[in-house]
Amino acid sequence: DAGVTQSPTHLIKTRGQQVTLRCSPKSGHDTVSWYQQALGQGPQFIFQYYEEEERQRGNFPDRFSGHQFPNYSSELNVNALLLGDSALYLCASSLGQLVNSPLHFGNGTRLTVT
Amino acid sequence: DQQVKQNSPSLSVQEGRISILNCDYTNSMFDYFLWYKKYPAEGPTFLISISSIKDKNEDGRFTVFLNKSAKHLSLHIVPSQPGDSAVYFCAASEYNQGGKLIFGQGTELSVKP
Repeated sequence: DAGVTQSPTHLIKTRGQQVTLRCSPKSGHDTVSWYQQALGQGPQFIFQYYEEEERQRGNFPDRFSGHQFPNYSSELNVNALLLGDSALYLCASSLGQLVNSPLHFGNGTRLTVT
Repeated sequence: DQQVKQNSPSLSVQEGRISILNCDYTNSMFDYFLWYKKYPAEGPTFLISISSIKDKNEDGRFTVFLNKSAKHLSLHIVPSQPGDSAVYFCAASEYNQGGKLIFGQGTELSVKP
């Protein structure tokens, strides 16, 4: 039973560029959430997708956008990269209809902006 | 504004003894709390959760205690094992916002043989 998979595992980009990160949820899950984890901090909620719509959003600028596909996989896009966007980006999946369904996390994409 | 705080960045415990990890929160709208464990180069793994209608939840060696009046929760690991060495994150969410978890900064637990 495949868990949450993310690609790529590592990425190096230059300031001002754009990046796309990808996530496949755990089998049977229909909801995808994205988190940013800076060094030494806990993960911070970016947004959540359910039924191909953004359902909730955290305190992140519009440079951060996402998409969910009919097969429940998801993409996170970040435009106009800043040095401060360097972080571990975590994708988590869950069952949307189940209140308080625990999130299952992938291993993350390490983004470095130079 | 840190709504979930783990004030101890690190904790060292002898194998076989009890590990107690603490977490404080400020948002009275939180009604669901979770603990996650994270090994290096891996994503966080769900450990145990508790709803605000309970004050204790047990799963094997792991017990979570919730004190709503003090806005405090703790995770007890008994007995501690070297494989428990990891970073532990406390997280909370408001009703029906389970996907939007607010995490603490984490506590690095080291269990020494």
